[in-house]
Amino acid sequence: DQQVKQNSPSLSVQEGRISILNCDYTNSMFDYFLWYKKYPAEGPTFLISISSIKDKNEDGRFTVFLNKSAKHLSLHIVPSQPGDSAVYFCAASLNNFGNEKLTFGTGTRLTIIP
Amino acid sequence: DTEVTQTPKHLVMGMTNKKSLKCEQHMGHRAMYWYKQKAKKPPELMFVYSYEKLSINESVPSRFSPECPNSSLLNLHLHALQPEDSALYLCASSHPWGGELFFGEGSRLTVL
Repeated sequence: DQQVKQNSPSLSVQEGRISILNCDYTNSMFDYFLWYKKYPAEGPTFLISISSIKDKNEDGRFTVFLNKSAKHLSLHIVPSQPGDSAVYFCAASLNNFGNEKLTFGTGTRLTIIP
Repeated sequence: DTEVTQTPKHLVMGMTNKKSLKCEQHMGHRAMYWYKQKAKKPPELMFVYSYEKLSINESVPSRFSPECPNSSLLNLHLHALQPEDSALYLCASSHPWGGELFFGEGSRLTVL
C-alpha cells in the first residue's frame, strides 16, 4: 500500500524552462511534506518542505505547492538547470517531529536537456 | 559541519559473516535513522533512535541489530544476512523536535 505516489517515473525538460514534479498521497493525517533530491551513489539531499497549514512555500528557484483537498503536492523548479538532473522524492510525515517515520514516494527522474 | 558520514561505502559479505555499518554526525542532532533502499524503490525506514534510545523498529529481522553508542554515532550490526538484504543502507539524522532529515551517502551492501 503506497501512501505516497509519484506517478511519473521520469520527466525531461528543456534547460531554462519550468520543471513540475507531482506527488499524491492517500493518508489525510500527513501534515508535513518534504522534497528530496538524489544523485547516483549519494544519499538524498533535502530541498524544500511545507507544512499542511500552508499552501505554498518558496525557496529560490524551488516552489512547493500543497492542495490538501486533492491530497496533492507539486514541486516547481524555474528556471531548470542541467545540475537539477537527479531523482526527486517527495516524502510525508504525520507531524513535524523528527522521530516520526517519513514515508517516501517512488521518485521521479528529472533530466534537464541543455 | 552539515555532514552525515557513513562507512564503509561498499561492503560485500557472505551469508555467514558478521559485519557492521557505521554512521557519524556532528550536527548535534539527537535523532538518528537507518533506512534501506532497493533499486528503483523509495527509502524504507528500518530504525529510529531518539536521544540514544531505540524509538522505532519497523519490524526489521533480528539479523539486523542497531546500536547507538552515543549521540554522534549509529551502528548497524549485520549477521547471517540473505542475498535479498543486498541494498543501499542510508543513515540520517535530524533534530528530535522536527525538520528535515540529513542523509549520508549510504553504504552499498552486497550479500553473496
